[in-house]
Amino acid sequence: QKEVEQNSGPLSVPEGAIASLNCTYSDRVSQSFFWYRQYSGKSPELIMSIYSNGDKEDGRFTAQLNKASQYVSLLIRDSQPSDSATYLCAVADGGYQKVTFGIGTKLQVIP
Amino acid sequence: NAGVTQTPKFQVLKTGQSMTLQCAQDMNHNSMYWYRQDPGMGLRLIYYSASEGTTDKGEVPNGYNVSRLNKREFSLRLESAAPSQTSVYFCASRDISGGTGELFFGEGSRLTVL
Repeated sequence: QKEVEQNSGPLSVPEGAIASLNCTYSDRVSQSFFWYRQYSGKSPELIMSIYSNGDKEDGRFTAQLNKASQYVSLLIRDSQPSDSATYLCAVADGGYQKVTFGIGTKLQVIP
Repeated sequence: NAGVTQTPKFQVLKTGQSMTLQCAQDMNHNSMYWYRQDPGMGLRLIYYSASEGTTDKGEVPNGYNVSRLNKREFSLRLESAAPSQTSVYFCASRDISGGTGELFFGEGSRLTVL
């Protein structure tokens, strides 16, 4: 079992809708969680980081963390065509050093 | 602001040749990482260095060696390249002592092994 699991998609949503991206992880002592966005041919860029249970909002983005269920999600409100990219979930281990990525979910926002 | 700089950006090798990918960061980060990215596989950790003088294996270390030359530089060496090592390689650095602990990535190095 891969340490960080994501559905590869593609996830297609109409413009203006809410996109919901999900991620599960296997290491119960994981401490830090990140969502990165990656456009084709580019480097990953940080969208959100979250460390404690609950929701964290930043503009149109909301990250949700549930450590008991080992689950982290990213909601994108009012999705725009420019949000079309691959979204990578990343988890840092309990020692804070090793950072493991999921395979990424490809999001397509349809105009 | 250079951030994380990787060289070279593109390289074509023949099977059996060796090469070193160079990475340098100017953010005074303690931790540095090498990932490879293949279609449908996400980012897979090759090696990481939590601090100067230490290195640890990641998910896919076979066929690679690393050197943490100093706090700024972390190189990845392929001693005898194989076609299976054709990939895009990303170097990243991270500071867990402050800030968000996020990874900062270089622009990537695209390697083709024929």
